[in-house]
Amino acid sequence: GAGVSQSPRYKVAKRGQDVALRCDPISGHVSLFWYQQALGQGPEFLTYFQNEAQLDKSGLPSDRFFAERPEGSVSTLKIQRTQQEDSAVYLCASSLDPASNTIYFGEGSWLTVV
Amino acid sequence: QKEVEQDPGPLSVPEGAIVSLNCTYSNSAFQYFMWYRQYSRKGPELLMYTYSSGNKEDGRFTAQVDKSSKYISLFIRDSQPSDSATYLCATQPLTRGSNYKLTFGKGTLLTVNP
Repeated sequence: GAGVSQSPRYKVAKRGQDVALRCDPISGHVSLFWYQQALGQGPEFLTYFQNEAQLDKSGLPSDRFFAERPEGSVSTLKIQRTQQEDSAVYLCASSLDPASNTIYFGEGSWLTVV
Repeated sequence: QKEVEQDPGPLSVPEGAIVSLNCTYSNSAFQYFMWYRQYSRKGPELLMYTYSSGNKEDGRFTAQVDKSSKYISLFIRDSQPSDSATYLCATQPLTRGSNYKLTFGKGTLLTVNP
C-alpha cells in the first residue's frame, strides 16, 4: 500500500517483557516520527528521525524506550521491561521532507501491558 | 496547564447540524495550525492546515484562527453520520529547527446522529 504501515497492530505483553514495534514509512519520505497516544488523549511526541539520524528524542518517557532507523527507511520502537503505564497506541508518521507540514500517520500499534 | 487545550466532549448532534469545535493554545511560538480527524482504531488524518489568522474553507469544513486570542476553530456544515470521529487540533512552531514537532489537543469525540 501507499500509506504508513505499522506492525503488529495489536500486542499484549506481560509486565517486564520487551516489545518491538515496526514502522514502514511512505516510500521516499525523509522525516519519520513516533507519537504515543494514551486512551482519551491526543498523540504526544516521542522522537523524530531525518533519514537515519535521530534528531530529537526528547519525548521518550524513559531510558527503557529506544528507537532506531538504521537505513533511513524502516524504523523500530523498542520498549524494554514494559510496565502497565506503557499501555497506549504507538503511532508512526512520515513526511516527505523536514519543510513539509503534511504529516501522514499510520494506524498505530495498540500495546496492552498486563 | 497543557500547551493546547481542547474540550473532549463528547458532542452529539443531529444530521445536518453545524458543528463548532474549538481549541486554545498558550505558546506564541505556535504558528501553524492543523485539524486532524481520527476514526475509531485508526490513525489521525489531516483535514485542514492553516498558517495565518482568518478563515480557510474546504468543502463543508472551515478552519478559523485568531492569533490575538490564541483560539482555533473548526466548523462543519451540513454534518453527516460519516463525520462521526474524534477531531484533534494540532499546532507547530514556526522555527524551522523544530517545525516537525506537533502538539495536539486531547481531541473532541463527535457523533452525528442520522
